[in-house]
Amino acid sequence: QKEVEQDPGPLSVPEGAIVSLNCTYSNSAFQYFMWYRQYSRKGPELLMYTYSSGNKEDGRFTAQVDKSSKYISLFIRDSQPSDSATYLCAMRYSSASKIIFGSGTRLSIRP
Amino acid sequence: NAGVTQTPKFRILKIGQSMTLQCTQDMNHNYMYWYRQDPGMGLKLIYYSVGAGITDKGEVPNGYNVSRSTTEDFPLRLELAAPSQTSVYFCASGPQGAGQTYEQYFGPGTRLTVT
Repeated sequence: QKEVEQDPGPLSVPEGAIVSLNCTYSNSAFQYFMWYRQYSRKGPELLMYTYSSGNKEDGRFTAQVDKSSKYISLFIRDSQPSDSATYLCAMRYSSASKIIFGSGTRLSIRP
Repeated sequence: NAGVTQTPKFRILKIGQSMTLQCTQDMNHNYMYWYRQDPGMGLKLIYYSVGAGITDKGEVPNGYNVSRSTTEDFPLRLELAAPSQTSVYFCASGPQGAGQTYEQYFGPGTRLTVT
């Protein structure tokens, strides 16, 4: 079983829709949870991070962590064509220097 | 700041050849990482370094070597290239301290094909 599971998609939605991206994980010791966005032929860039459980909002983006279910989500409101990218979830233990990445979900927003 | 720079952008190698992928960061980060990304497979950690002179293996280190003689540079060496090493390679760096390494800054990647 992989430590972090992520649906690879692709996911295609119309502009303005609410998008939900999800990851599950197996190790309850993970404390930091991140979402990276990767445009085609570019390196990933950090979009959001949360520590432990709860929600975090940044503009149109909301990150949610449910440690009891070992489940994290990224919601995108009022999606735009510029949101079309691959989204990777990532997580790490509190004392570790390494990050474990999900395989990424490819998202396409149709104008 | 240029951030994390990688050279070359593209390279084609023949089986058995060797090469070095260069990575430089100008953010004074202690932590540096090398990943490979195969289509639909996410990022796999090859090697990482927590400071000059200190390196450690990641998930997929076989066929690769690294060195870290300065804070800025973290080159990745491929010896005896094999078709299985065809991939996109990303270098990343992050701030020091166990409580601060949630963020990694990535370079633009090197696309390597081994034929």
